[in-house]
Amino acid sequence: ILNVEQSPQSLHVQEGDSTNFTCSFPSSNFYALHWYRWETAKSPEALFVMTLNGDEKKKGRISATLNTKEGYSYLYIKGSQPEDSATYLCAFTSGTYKYIFGTGTRLKVLA
Amino acid sequence: KAGVTQTPRYLIKTRGQQVTLSCSPISGHRSVSWYQQTPGQGLQFLFEYFSETQRNKGNFPGRFSGRQFSNSRSEMNVSTLELGDSALYLCATRGGPGTDTQYFGPGTRLTVL
Repeated sequence: ILNVEQSPQSLHVQEGDSTNFTCSFPSSNFYALHWYRWETAKSPEALFVMTLNGDEKKKGRISATLNTKEGYSYLYIKGSQPEDSATYLCAFTSGTYKYIFGTGTRLKVLA
Repeated sequence: KAGVTQTPRYLIKTRGQQVTLSCSPISGHRSVSWYQQTPGQGLQFLFEYFSETQRNKGNFPGRFSGRQFSNSRSEMNVSTLELGDSALYLCATRGGPGTDTQYFGPGTRLTVL
């Protein structure tokens, strides 16, 4: 059974702090790694899709890195703002194209 | 471009009943996946349909079934509802397989009494 794990489960940071979370996934049969942001009462919103070992993606203050050989990805948020408060999900896809989601990291940014 | 729509948004049923949920994908998207989310659990994959065929299936009992129509709209059916089926059901659509991003609908909140 393929498992995707995210840590920490939840995180409280002060406005202006930088933070990062981890997503661990199977290193075999890798196809892609996806990051989503899920705000309360909204739909999950795609942040990044990463496919190549060593990939780095950036969107404003949010960036992500990928290590497919050891099976992990980091999501970084620089200078956290209250509007960054959300649950951040990662999902792994293998050759079958089935998405396997982690349980998410719940971020709360305190003003 | 209109987003993914799901109907109904909220539903209350009693044990033993059945329910049908609907998902209309973004225009041009042929893949529709269904997920269940319960408190403390991640998004649990139910199944994926592509061009009216079930392409992938998660580990859910046979009470959970789905189908896809020629216009790519998809329905999910749960028969003989149990209390544990109370959850948020999300559908997600994408244009093609593999690395294409999934776009999620707003979900249907099902409560089973």
